Amino acid sequence: SQKIEQNSEALNIQEGKTATLTCNYTNYSPAYLQWYRQDPGRGPVFLLLIRENEKEKRKERLKVTFDTTLKQSLFHITASQPADSATYLCAAPFSGGYNKLIFGAGTRLAVHP
Amino acid sequence: EADIYQTPRYLVIGTGKKITLECSQTMGHDKMYWYQQDPGMELHLIHYSYGVNSTEKGDLSSESTVSRIRTEHFPLTLESARPSHTSQYLCASSTTSTNEKLFFGSGTQLSVL
Repeated sequence: SQKIEQNSEALNIQEGKTATLTCNYTNYSPAYLQWYRQDPGRGPVFLLLIRENEKEKRKERLKVTFDTTLKQSLFHITASQPADSATYLCAAPFSGGYNKLIFGAGTRLAVHP
Repeated sequence: EADIYQTPRYLVIGTGKKITLECSQTMGHDKMYWYQQDPGMELHLIHYSYGVNSTEKGDLSSESTVSRIRTEHFPLTLESARPSHTSQYLCASSTTSTNEKLFFGSGTQLSVL
């Protein structure tokens, strides 16, 4: 079945460093991937979308890549700040599912001063 | 900020009670969704709607039911709550465009004793 996998271990980094989170998908080829941020007790908030024909997308300190050969997306936060601490979710559409998204379990990022 | 609201934020209720979780959005979105999320786990789609009088079940089987009588309103009902229903319930909406991001509410944390 279609699946989105993210590293379940928390990522701890020092303020100012670049955080890199990984999203792998299996058993299909999504037309796009989305990344969301989720804070404790809150709903996810959309950050970026990257389509299968795009190698890279940037927004301020955020960068997302999409490698269809590796079936992987990388999410980077440069010059990380403690305020970036949150859980980051990767999502992709169900095959043939118009706007129905499958979500990964997310990776928790902790940025330490 | 997203204009999508969920009430209540927290609900503690006894087994066998009927409950309705409310979700409203003021963005005029046709598509609305209910996701269920347990701590550290993926969001699972339990219901979705593409417009008024349209409702479908998601990938995760749920004993809950939904209705969509008005565009802005998408309530979820559990006729007889059980401890296994304890979870966070997240409502979301999106436009009808492809690749569109989801706007999430803050969620309802349900605890069934």
